[in-house]
Amino acid sequence: DAGVIQSPRHEVTEMGQEVTLRCKPISGHDYLFWYRQTMMRGLELLIYFNNNVPIDDSGMPEDRFSAKMPNASFSTLKIQPSEPRDSAVYFCASSPGGPHGELFFGEGSRLTVL
Amino acid sequence: KNQVEQSPQSLIILEGKNCTLQCNYTVSPFSNLRWYKQDTGRGPVSLTIMTFSENTKSNGRYTATLDADTKQSSLHITASQLSDSASYICVVSGLPGGYQKVTFGTGTKLQVIP
Repeated sequence: DAGVIQSPRHEVTEMGQEVTLRCKPISGHDYLFWYRQTMMRGLELLIYFNNNVPIDDSGMPEDRFSAKMPNASFSTLKIQPSEPRDSAVYFCASSPGGPHGELFFGEGSRLTVL
Repeated sequence: KNQVEQSPQSLIILEGKNCTLQCNYTVSPFSNLRWYKQDTGRGPVSLTIMTFSENTKSNGRYTATLDADTKQSSLHITASQLSDSASYICVVSGLPGGYQKVTFGTGTKLQVIP
């Protein structure tokens, strides 16, 4: 299995631009997560899906952030408009679920907003 | 509020030496605790999982311990190698289940030098 695949690996954009991050989870995993990692705050859960349905989006910072999962093999995280404080590494993870479900992380998308 | 605190924040050791990383948590009720290893520029990867009834678990040169009474866990690395240089993140899951109950520590950054 190729693991969780994220794109792009690196994105540099200017303030106000739209950013779209993409994720392909591991086939057969029912759960998909978007996390943000910064030096100050570590890993923070933004949103997660179960069987393509958003379950908890309370971690999404504000209305500028949106996430979709149109099918079991694809998800997007969109930031519009982007701001410098959005600069971070964004991780997608998937899990088969269960009471001790392990999270399988992608390699991350490093976003820099100038 | 559920919290996971790790110490030390960073650590430098000589190759071949042993080290112990600490994790204290306030998550209650407790479900399980995982240690993840995150190499620079990569996503975290699970090393071990500890449930309430387990107090020691090994994975090669990594040994995790859990004291559910004092809410403490440790990760011991034996005969360190240069490839052990990474951040180690303690992740605690609470009850009732659901990924909203997963709390991440901010990690210990380990550097192994020749």
